[in-house]
Amino acid sequence: DAGVIQSPRHEVTEMGQEVTLRCKPISGHNSLFWYRQTMMRGLELLIYFNNNVPIDDSGMPEDRFSAKMPNASFSTLKIQPSEPRDSAVYFCASSFKDRASEQYFGPGTRLTVT
Amino acid sequence: DQQVKQNSPSLSVQEGRISILNCDYTNSMFDYFLWYKKYPAEGPTFLISISSIKDKNEDGRFTVFLNKSAKHLSLHIVPSQPGDSAVYFCAASARSGNNRKLIWGLGTSLAVNP
Repeated sequence: DAGVIQSPRHEVTEMGQEVTLRCKPISGHNSLFWYRQTMMRGLELLIYFNNNVPIDDSGMPEDRFSAKMPNASFSTLKIQPSEPRDSAVYFCASSFKDRASEQYFGPGTRLTVT
Repeated sequence: DQQVKQNSPSLSVQEGRISILNCDYTNSMFDYFLWYKKYPAEGPTFLISISSIKDKNEDGRFTVFLNKSAKHLSLHIVPSQPGDSAVYFCAASARSGNNRKLIWGLGTSLAVNP
C-alpha cells in the first residue's frame, strides 16, 4: 500500500521563479496537511484540507503561497515568486478526518531557492 | 511563542539503557498528545499517543507519561536500541469545532550508542 507521495523530492530554483510542490495522499484519507520544516521554527502547519476544502490557512506565510486540492487524490502547494527565505523541507501529510492527529507523512520536498 | 517545547535538542544514551525524552506545553486546551519519530530524509512517523484523560500509555518498549498539572509529558524507551536513533517530535492538539490540528515541538535528536 503506497504511502503519501510527494514530488519532486528536491527542487533548486532561482529567486523569483514559480515553484509547485505536489502531493498524493493515502487513498481513503480525507484530511490533507501541508507543513514546512526549518531549523529555527521546526514543523509549521501551513494549511490543511478536509474533504478537499481548505479549513485553516492561517499558517500560510504570505500571499506568495497558495494551495489547492482539486480532488481527493491530489494537492499542490505553489510559491510565486519564490525567495531564498522559502528554502526549507515541505511535507505533505494525510489522515482520516476523525483521526486527524495521527497523520501519515510523505518523504518531503527539499526546496532550495538561490 | 512555542506552545509545545522540547528543551533538549539532543540526547545520547547507551544501548540497553532507558531513554527519556521530555516535552512541556503551555495551552491548557490541549487534550491529545503524540510522539512522532523521524529518520533523515524521511517524513515523521507516528509512534505513540495519549489522551488527556489518561496519565500513561504503553506500547512495547515505548511508554508516554502525562502530567497535566505540570503540563508535561515524557516518552520512555526501554531498552534503547541503536535503531531508535532518530529525531523525536512531541505534538499536541486541541479540538476547534469539528477540526483538529497539531502543534509541534522542535524535536529532540536521540543517539543510541552501541
